[in-house]
Amino acid sequence: SSELTQDPAVSVALGQTVRITCQGDSLRSFYASWYQQKPGQAPVVVMYGKNNRPSGIPDRFSGSSSGNTASLTITGAQAEDEADYHCNSRDSSGNHWVFGGGTKLTVL
Amino acid sequence: QVQLVESGGGVVQPGRSLRLSCAASGFTFSTYGMHWVRQAPGKGLEWVAVIWYDGSDQFYADSVKGRFTISRDNSKNTLYLQMNSLRAEDTAVYYCARDLCGGNCYDENWFDPWGQGTLVTVSS
Repeated sequence: SSELTQDPAVSVALGQTVRITCQGDSLRSFYASWYQQKPGQAPVVVMYGKNNRPSGIPDRFSGSSSGNTASLTITGAQAEDEADYHCNSRDSSGNHWVFGGGTKLTVL
Repeated sequence: QVQLVESGGGVVQPGRSLRLSCAASGFTFSTYGMHWVRQAPGKGLEWVAVIWYDGSDQFYADSVKGRFTISRDNSKNTLYLQMNSLRAEDTAVYYCARDLCGGNCYDENWFDPWGQGTLVTVSS
């Protein structure tokens, strides 16, 4: 198995840009997916694959990847973006999945 | 609309068993792989298990392997998680989620949608 590492907490001023990162060896072989989770709610996918946004997700969300690091960028963060963000991918075996520890985003 | 609804959670003593269910609607259940994911109180998400669309294969996290069994009944559009020999550290909200994939369906996967979750508390 392998691990995905995220910063526990990140903050951003309202309207500014923030990048949330996810590191792990498996990301050299597998795309990451990203999930937004607000308190008391189930996770919702906000990004997957190379840079794909599900319908209904604002275009201020974008994704990228380089080497062993995947990134989720919010350009012009809004108050409603305050949430926990979790990355996920298959692990190095290919038959298991793994989540990062999650990043708590605070919009100031 | 596409929907997943979990049930079966509750309070159970250590060492006992519990079976969770996940009822699917709004899509052709029998053509999708399905996952269970859990979240301990105040913690991050932990992948638990996956089952292929036809039930032909299953894989488990090391933390539950040998104790938990994922299964499905495609005639009832329902996913299950049989949890045996429960431990305090299994206390969590358990979510079911549909597996979606792109490209060759190997290097690009994501979970959508998720159910609302069902709480399992293991305590004496």
